This record gives sequence, C-alpha cells and structure tokens, in this order.
Amino acid sequence: EPEVTQTPSHQVTQMGQEVILRCVPISNHLYFYWYRQILGQKVEFLVSFYNNEISEKSEIFDDQFSVERPDGSNFTLKIRSTKLEDSAMYFCASTVSDSYEQYFGPGTRLTVT
Amino acid sequence: AQTVTQSQPEMSVQEAETVTLSCTYDTSESDYYLFWYKQPPSRQMILVIRQEAYKQQNATENRFSVNFQKAAKSFSLKISDSQLGDAAMYFCAYSGSARQLTFGSGTQLTVLP
Repeated sequence: EPEVTQTPSHQVTQMGQEVILRCVPISNHLYFYWYRQILGQKVEFLVSFYNNEISEKSEIFDDQFSVERPDGSNFTLKIRSTKLEDSAMYFCASTVSDSYEQYFGPGTRLTVT
Repeated sequence: AQTVTQSQPEMSVQEAETVTLSCTYDTSESDYYLFWYKQPPSRQMILVIRQEAYKQQNATENRFSVNFQKAAKSFSLKISDSQLGDAAMYFCAYSGSARQLTFGSGTQLTVLP
C-alpha cells in the first residue's frame, strides 16, 4: 500500500541553524500539507500546497518557513533560523484532488537546542 | 474560523467493553468532512474513520462507529469490544472548503486489561 514517507525521523539542530524537512507524498496525490505538533499539544496546520504554490497558510507559517516541491516527488519544509519553540513533531500529509482524506507520514521530530 | 472541541482529556475502558469519545465543532459551512485520527505512542497519525456532512448515515469501520448529529454539531466515536491495541490519543478533526484539517485537543484513551 502506498504511503507518505518523511526524512529524517529525528533531527537535532542548534538555535539559529537552518533545517530542511523532507517528505515524499503518495505519487498520485496533488494536495500537500505540513502540520506541527508540539509535545503534549494538538496538531496544528502550517501550510497547504497545490499546483506548485501555497494555497493556504496559518499564522504560524511566518517568514522563517518556506515550502518547495523541487523535483515533482519531494515536498520540503525549510525553517531558516530555528528557535527553541520550533521544537516539535512535523507531519507531512497528502491527498488526491477529489478527496478530503489526508494521509500522514510518520513525522519528523525536530529538537532545537 | 472553525473550531473543534474535545472535552475529555482522558478516558479509560475495560478490555472488551465499549467506550464513546466526544467531539463538538463549530462551523458556518454546510459541506465538510469530519475525521477521527488515532495517535499511538509512535506518534504516527492513523485515520480511523471519516464522515461526510451530507450523509445522514453514520459511518462504521469494523469496531469503530460514529454518532454524527449535524444540527448539534456533534461527532462522537464509539469503540466496541475495546482491545489493548486501541490505547492511544484520539483526535477529532474537521475539514471544510479550505481542505486543511483543524484538530481538537485530543482524548487519551487507556484500555485496562
């Protein structure tokens, strides 16, 4: 069964460093999402991406964040200058065009020290 | 903006018994989807069940069923014949015209042997 994959599973970085989180959505999916979950809290929407552009973004998704689909298969989330409060689990999700059912990857745990 | 509320931070159930997790939501949209996701300790987000708002019939997936009350904006999850593997955090989620998921704060379910 096709699945969403994410790499790395765990990333440790120092405050102020740039990180890139990678996702490979399911191949025939057209809508892509990033969500964040701070430990012990609910899952929060960051950004959605369709047709090679951002379709929606939350207030969390400020200028420090960017997304890209560089090669037609990978979908990346970049955090330019990480802060301690960026420590969280980051989930990628994808869906086909006519479905609202989102399939989640296993997540990347980001630890900022 | 849509909101999703889960008023039970923790629930417990005896193995083989039935438990119901509550969820209410607020929206002005008439066409939307509702979901229950399960998050075990691995933190993977697993789709349990979905409900289309235009369908009057409650969704069922094996031991999992929902009680969808559109007028009351209520969407509860019933787990029958509870198993030890059902122990997890359960999140209720809403998806409307903007497609991204809005999650509740979650209910931690413990299954007692």
